[in-house]
Amino acid sequence: AQKITQTQPGMFVQEKEAVTLDCTYDTSDPSYGLFWYKQPSSGEMIFLIYQGSYDQQNATEGRYSLNFQKARKSANLVISASQLGDSAMYFCAMREHTGTASKLTFGTGTRLQVTL
Amino acid sequence: NAGVTQTPKFRILKIGQSMTLQCTQDMNHNYMYWYRQDPGMGLKLIYYSVGAGITDKGEVPNGYNVSRSTTEDFPLRLELAAPSQTSVYFCASSYPPGSTNEQYFGPGTRLTVT
Repeated sequence: AQKITQTQPGMFVQEKEAVTLDCTYDTSDPSYGLFWYKQPSSGEMIFLIYQGSYDQQNATEGRYSLNFQKARKSANLVISASQLGDSAMYFCAMREHTGTASKLTFGTGTRLQVTL
Repeated sequence: NAGVTQTPKFRILKIGQSMTLQCTQDMNHNYMYWYRQDPGMGLKLIYYSVGAGITDKGEVPNGYNVSRSTTEDFPLRLELAAPSQTSVYFCASSYPPGSTNEQYFGPGTRLTVT
């Protein structure tokens, strides 16, 4: 079974609108972390936001917020007031605590296109 | 503070050739990782290291080797390159678990094997 599932290969959003990128995960580890990374066309991976499995509040970082629904095992990224520069690939990733390592498992990504 | 640097940025190899992808970080992170990203896909873990002298396999280690003689450097070696190793390779580093543990990524190396 996929550990991280991103069901939206591509999304369009108009400038200044909000958009939600979906992410569901599967783990039996009670302690885990969820990350979102942005990959613009230049190729680098940019960290956006993190949610720990024990965090009570949904994480927020500027225009990014993470809608964490633990019972549903979902960790959707919400981008408010979209900008043209938000056009990029977005990857959801999960960190499980396997021994002493801290490895990330990535989803297949969602390509977001922001239009005028 | 340069973060994570990778060399080269691009490389074309012939089938059967070998090469080493270099990765250096100046953040004194114990943890370092190598990922590959195939077209239209997410990243897959090749190898990782939790400190100098300690390495372990990730999800897709076949055809690769690593070493970690210093905290700063984590080179990835490809022996007998194959077309299936055409990919973009990312090196990353992080602090140990217990914090946000964000992984900092290098800019990537685009490798083509023909």
